[in-house]
Amino acid sequence: GAVVSQHPSWVICKSGTSVKIECRSLDFQATTMFWYRQFPKQSLMLMATSNEGSKATYEQGVEKDKFLINHASLTLSTLTVTSAHPEDSSFYICSASRQGASEQYFGPGTRLTVT
Amino acid sequence: QKEVEQDPGPLSVPEGAIVSLNCTYSNSAFQYFMWYRQYSRKGPELLMYTYSSGNKEDGRFTAQVDKSSKYISLFIRDSQPSDSATYLCAMSWGYGNKLVFGAGTILRVKS
Repeated sequence: GAVVSQHPSWVICKSGTSVKIECRSLDFQATTMFWYRQFPKQSLMLMATSNEGSKATYEQGVEKDKFLINHASLTLSTLTVTSAHPEDSSFYICSASRQGASEQYFGPGTRLTVT
Repeated sequence: QKEVEQDPGPLSVPEGAIVSLNCTYSNSAFQYFMWYRQYSRKGPELLMYTYSSGNKEDGRFTAQVDKSSKYISLFIRDSQPSDSATYLCAMSWGYGNKLVFGAGTILRVKS
C-alpha cells in the first residue's frame, strides 16, 4: 500500500508556456500533499504544503502565482508551472500523507525541461 | 547550524558489510523520524519510520533513535550492490507537518 503516482514523468516545454503535473495517491486518501523541487546532487526543497479543499501554504521564496497548486480531492493534487522559463527546469516530486500520520510517501518525480 | 546534519559521503563499502548511517539534529521538538532511500532520478522510498526513542528492525534494516543525544542511525546488514543509493534522514514535529531532511548520504556498495 501507500503508492503515489505522478504524471507526466518527463516533460519538455517551450519558454513562456505553462505545464501541469499531476500527483495521485492510488490506494489511500491523502489529506495532505507536499510538492518538492530537487536540483542535481542536492536534497529536496519543499515548495508548498496543501490540504484537501484548502489553499496551499507556500514556503518562503516560492512564488505562489508562478507555481499554482490545487488539491481538489483526497487523491489528487496538481502543480502548474506558469510562464515557464529555463531556470524552472528541475525535478519536481510530490508526496502524500494520510490523516493522522506523519510519514510521507513520495511519487516517482517529474523531470521538467524548459527550452 | 542546520537543523539536521548528515554527512553527504560518499560512503563506499564492500558487499556484505554492515553499513551505519547517521544524522544529528538540534530541534528537540522532533518526534517522528524517517529514513528514505533515493535512487538516481527517482522519488524517495520510505524505508523506516520510528516515533520517539528506540529501535525498530525490518529485515536487513535497523533504525535507532536516541532523543537524549539528538542522534538517529540506520544500520544495513549484509549490504548488497542494489543498496547503492542516497539515504535521506527526515524528521517532523507531528501529523501532517512538513519534513526536515538531512543532506543525504551517498552509499556505494562494491561487489
